[in-house]
Amino acid sequence: TAGITQAPTSQILAAGRSMTLRCTQDMRHNAMYWYRQDLGLGLRLIHYSNTAGTTGKGEVPDGYSVSRANTDDFPLTLASAVPSQTSVYFCASSDRTHTGELFFGEGSRLTVL
Amino acid sequence: GQNIDQPTEMTATEGAIVQINCTYQTSGFNGLFWYQQHAGEAPTFLSYNVLDGLEEKGRFSSFLSRSKGYSYLLLKELQMKDSASYLCACMDSNYQLIWGAGTKLIIKP
Repeated sequence: TAGITQAPTSQILAAGRSMTLRCTQDMRHNAMYWYRQDLGLGLRLIHYSNTAGTTGKGEVPDGYSVSRANTDDFPLTLASAVPSQTSVYFCASSDRTHTGELFFGEGSRLTVL
Repeated sequence: GQNIDQPTEMTATEGAIVQINCTYQTSGFNGLFWYQQHAGEAPTFLSYNVLDGLEEKGRFSSFLSRSKGYSYLLLKELQMKDSASYLCACMDSNYQLIWGAGTKLIIKP
């Protein structure tokens, strides 16, 4: 069972360029999330989606956008990358909302130069 | 503001017991969660407490005291594979997860 698949695993990006991080799940979970993880800080929620067709802003949404056209896919787009967006990005899902039991992808390491 | 505190790093010996503490200050409370994260890998769910007391799951147990805003994760019979970071997260009244920075646990033979 694949669970959650993220791509790319790692990417180096020039500042000002755009980038889409892909996330696909095969568990038919309704809720999906994007987090960033930085050294010395807890996971921070960027955007979330409680069900296909809806999205919401998390704690640190600025500079990021998401879409949820179907249940399985939840891409994260950086329109114009800045060095402060250098981070490890985790996509996660849950079978219901209002739960803290999340299933995470393996992460995408992004470096913005 | 909302805050989760846990030690940055702990060291323990293979076969021993270690307790990782977590204190939280959040707007409301809807559960306390523990995750394990090996270096370079995804966090994986370990345990969930919403009522006071101890939840045991094999070698791992998690304790909660809501009145003290305190939880701990207890790992028994430590194995080398338990070397990982352990993340504490609290769900607030808006069902938002607030995450601690994680405790890196180093197991020595």
